[in-house]
Amino acid sequence: KAGVTQTPRYLIKTRGQQVTLSCSPISGHRSVSWYQQTPGQGLQFLFEYFSETQRNKGNFPGRFSGRQFSNSRSEMNVSTLELGDSALYLCASSSDNTYEQYFGPGTRLTVT
Amino acid sequence: DQQVKQNSPSLSVQEGRISILNCDYTNSMFDYFLWYKKYPAEGPTFLISISSIKDKNEDGRFTVFLNKSAKHLSLHIVPSQPGDSAVYFCAASAKNSGGSNYKLTFGKGTLLTVNP
Repeated sequence: KAGVTQTPRYLIKTRGQQVTLSCSPISGHRSVSWYQQTPGQGLQFLFEYFSETQRNKGNFPGRFSGRQFSNSRSEMNVSTLELGDSALYLCASSSDNTYEQYFGPGTRLTVT
Repeated sequence: DQQVKQNSPSLSVQEGRISILNCDYTNSMFDYFLWYKKYPAEGPTFLISISSIKDKNEDGRFTVFLNKSAKHLSLHIVPSQPGDSAVYFCAASAKNSGGSNYKLTFGKGTLLTVNP
């Protein structure tokens, strides 16, 4: 099976802009989670989608949003970018009712 | 408040010896624990997991031990190999009010270096 894929791998944006990141889960996985990794905070949970519904949400401002499509692909959007949003954004997928999540390579976002 | 703590930022061991990576947690609601390995410029790779109803789980060279009373878990790698050099993350999961528990809370990681 192909692994989790994320596009783009690298992105440079300017403060105030918005950005959309994409994630394709492992075939057959319906749960997709998003995480932000920064040097100071480590890996922090953003949200989780299952069958097009947000099932879990972390403690991030409303500028961070996501959605999931009927084919389980997911997108994450960040509006009004701030310098502190510079991070590695990781997507992970899992099969139904399992704890183990499988991660993609991440999207490195740099906000200038 | 950091619910999952990996107090050693780095660990260095000799090839062939045992590597022991430690993790402490504060949330008694956590019921499942996982270890991930991460190389630079890649996403974390799932290694091994353990349910709170067990105290040990083995998979080849990797063994995870769970001490619920101490809220402590450890990952043992025997024998250590240079290819094991990476950042290791401990993660934990707890059921939310809706009964699902698919959010992982991560520690900040330990950089393991295995010297030839």
